[in-house]
Amino acid sequence: GENVEQHPSTLSVQEGDSAVIKCTYSDSASNYFPWYKQELGKRPQLIIDIRSNVGEKKDQRIAVTLNKTAKHFSLHITETQPEDSAVYFCAASTPGYSTLTFGKGTMLLVSP
Amino acid sequence: DSGVTQTPKHLITATGQRVTLRCSPRSGDLSVYWYQQSLDQGLQFLIQYYNGEERAKGNILERFSAQQFPDLHSELNLSSLELGDSALYFCASSFGQTRGGYGYTFGSGTRLTVV
Repeated sequence: GENVEQHPSTLSVQEGDSAVIKCTYSDSASNYFPWYKQELGKRPQLIIDIRSNVGEKKDQRIAVTLNKTAKHFSLHITETQPEDSAVYFCAASTPGYSTLTFGKGTMLLVSP
Repeated sequence: DSGVTQTPKHLITATGQRVTLRCSPRSGDLSVYWYQQSLDQGLQFLIQYYNGEERAKGNILERFSAQQFPDLHSELNLSSLELGDSALYFCASSFGQTRGGYGYTFGSGTRLTVV
């Protein structure tokens, strides 16, 4: 089955800096890669996703890049704000299965 | 409100007991997924149902079982509970089943504490 590795497990940045979280996946057939943000005590929420026929996608301060050859994808957050502090999860799914396999999460701490 | 409803929000029970967690998916969604979230284990996939039928199983213990009813709500049954079963249990729903590529919508979770 699919295996998703996520790094780093913790990331501390100053407000205004950029943050990058990286994930690798094992199944070359995987074709859908969402990112979720989970604030303390709350449910994970989808913030951005990318499909395998696209190399990059942006939504305001958030962007995701995908390298199919290397089987890795990354989340980029620019101009970080304290409210970006949360745990971020990457995930992957393969055609024929809608089940998502999640990485173990990255705790992002943005200091004012 | 995400549209995915989970009840109860909190549950405290003793070891050896049995509990039932309930989930109503977002309107129009046919797939329901159950995940367990412990402090150091991230989001562990338990089981998926699509339109009433079991479609995928993850690391679900034999003491755990689930079902999806004709109205598409789902229940996760946890029996012979152990201290290690204490966790946050999330239900999520999505429209698709076999095509893949659908993001989930998560419910708010049920926090289970076994004492």
